[in-house]
Amino acid sequence: NAGVTQTPKFQVLKTGQSMTLQCAQDMNHNSMYWYRQDPGMGLRLIYYSASEGTTDKGEVPNGYNVSRLNKREFSLRLESAAPSQTSVYFCASSSGTNHRNTGELFFGEGSRLTVL
Amino acid sequence: SQKIEQNSEALNIQEGKTATLTCNYTNYSPAYLQWYRQDPGRGPVFLLLIRENEKEKRKERLKVTFDTTLKQSLFHITASQPADSATYLCAQDSNYQLIWGAGTKLIIKP
Repeated sequence: NAGVTQTPKFQVLKTGQSMTLQCAQDMNHNSMYWYRQDPGMGLRLIYYSASEGTTDKGEVPNGYNVSRLNKREFSLRLESAAPSQTSVYFCASSSGTNHRNTGELFFGEGSRLTVL
Repeated sequence: SQKIEQNSEALNIQEGKTATLTCNYTNYSPAYLQWYRQDPGRGPVFLLLIRENEKEKRKERLKVTFDTTLKQSLFHITASQPADSATYLCAQDSNYQLIWGAGTKLIIKP
């Protein structure tokens, strides 16, 4: 049972380059999320999707775009990478759609991005 | 804005003892709190969820409490083992998302 799968696991970019982080879940979950994790800080929500066809901004959306391609897949795109986007990115999913009943999140293993 | 605070210093506990981790929140009273475990280089893994109307929740050697007066949740691991060494994250619900603490690193010494 794969759960939540993220690719790539590691990536080094130069400032101004673009890239897309891919995420897929096989648990038939409605909601999917992209977080970033920086040292000494809690996970911060970049974007989320409560259902197929919908996406919403989280706490730190600037510099990112997302696509909920279908129920399984949720991608995160950096159009013009900046050093401030150096971070570990986590994709997560949950079965809930009600914002007050998110329930437990299932996370991928993370994508470690360095922007030089 | 909502904030979750966890002890940033690592907690060192002798094997077999009870480890207690603290999560404090400000302002808004959450409907629930969640606790996760994160190992180095891995994604967080869900452990327990406790709702505001529940004072205590247990799962095997784990126990979570929720005190809405103190605005605090405590996470206990009894009979701790070196394999329990990890970073433990607390998260509270806030409208459409979870607000996360930075985590407390727990080290269980043999």
